[in-house]
Amino acid sequence: IQLTQSPSSLSASVGDRVTITCRASQGIGSYLAWYQQKPGKAPKLLIYAASTLQSGVPSRFSGSGSGTDFTLTIGSLQPEDFATYYCQQLNSYPQGFGPGTKVDIK
Amino acid sequence: QVQLVESGGGVVQPGRSLRLSCEASGFTFSTYALHWVRQAPGKGLEWVAVISYDGFNKYYADSVKGRFTISRDNSKNTLYLQMNSLRAEDTAVYYCARGREYTGYDYGLDYWGQGTLVTVSS
Repeated sequence: IQLTQSPSSLSASVGDRVTITCRASQGIGSYLAWYQQKPGKAPKLLIYAASTLQSGVPSRFSGSGSGTDFTLTIGSLQPEDFATYYCQQLNSYPQGFGPGTKVDIK
Repeated sequence: QVQLVESGGGVVQPGRSLRLSCEASGFTFSTYALHWVRQAPGKGLEWVAVISYDGFNKYYADSVKGRFTISRDNSKNTLYLQMNSLRAEDTAVYYCARGREYTGYDYGLDYWGQGTLVTVSS
């Protein structure tokens, strides 16, 4: 199963609403997770089961979708949200990641 | 608190071997699947391998199949990755991460180590 993400990068301002899309090459139900990674740090799980917020993750993050098309939305971008975001499919092995979306400051 | 600490990285020549370790604490190690994920310099995340909670089931990325072996010692709360026939393209930071409990729902990788750098170079 291959994952694609769009856009590959985006520039946004604090307070903006940001949407990142992840598409799977075949249906994966809701077996999708989203991660945030900052430079030099390990990834952090944000969302699992496509739309369930991991404990401790701010509510401005939300996920949606099922089957092949998924979306990560940041409701109001905060300074600490500038990072790279990855999706991962958990439907079958190998549990590959998408290529990532880098969110930087406009 | 849950902690995963990788070790064993370093510089190794192409064709040689290296074994990574990941020592876990703060949770019941023997009930969770564990993964290795790597990241080449400046690149994205690449899933490498997973081992089930009991060590019986193992899966690998095609890029490492036949060269890498994942294993665990539940008595030592330690995960391993034996890497043989290393190539330049295996150069990456290697992370261990916690997966699902037993054979339950797969919630993703909820805890990660800090990573250990493997450099394959002559």
